[in-house]
Amino acid sequence: ETGVTQTPRHLVMGMTNKKSLKCEQHLGHNAMYWYKQSAKKPLELMFVYSLEERVENNSVPSRFSPECPNSSHLFLHLHTLQPEDSALYLCASSPHPGALNTEAFFGQGTRLTVV
Amino acid sequence: KQEVTQIPAALSVPEGENLVLNCSFTDSAIYNLQWFRQDPGKGLTSLLLIQSSQREQTSGRLNASLDKSSGRSTLYIAASQPGDSATYLCAVSGNTPLVFGKGTRLSVIA
Repeated sequence: ETGVTQTPRHLVMGMTNKKSLKCEQHLGHNAMYWYKQSAKKPLELMFVYSLEERVENNSVPSRFSPECPNSSHLFLHLHTLQPEDSALYLCASSPHPGALNTEAFFGQGTRLTVV
Repeated sequence: KQEVTQIPAALSVPEGENLVLNCSFTDSAIYNLQWFRQDPGKGLTSLLLIQSSQREQTSGRLNASLDKSSGRSTLYIAASQPGDSATYLCAVSGNTPLVFGKGTRLSVIA
């Protein structure tokens, strides 16, 4: 148990559906992240939030919409996804973004399949 | 743009062997280097964090070294066990959040 919890663990959705991924951390961290992990590719950073403000958006399509209502919760809202969006979506948190001795902790991920 | 490379991509060893996994990065201006373990279909478990000013960190049978100037890190696993079978990921952070390599898939055969 890393202290970062993601729900659901598995999600199958159609291309016209709207769904949300949830991430929760109880580590007192100030930064939260969404990463995408596709087969045979390195983890790709999608979004970074620091103190509930978005500080990085790595050219992610608008069909992915993040929300950070407080420092403990992070959501990823999904709509009109494509089959190539099928992947493992990982949430992480750390004390601070881009700082010395800041260790990141990851959740178990949500396995998303778009049909 | 920071790029992280891990060699080898896959490794299969008999139980009990000592082994070394390699990680290299292109931009030496990093704050930290972190090694993770990932079991199939699961999230990442942090193994070791090395600050840029440190040379190595140890945890049990694991030892990670960092040569920041040459952009290299190694993860040494002593007396490997079947339970060590997993994918090992190296990631560096600096002015940008963690940048990952593709990982080394390790199989330890009993």
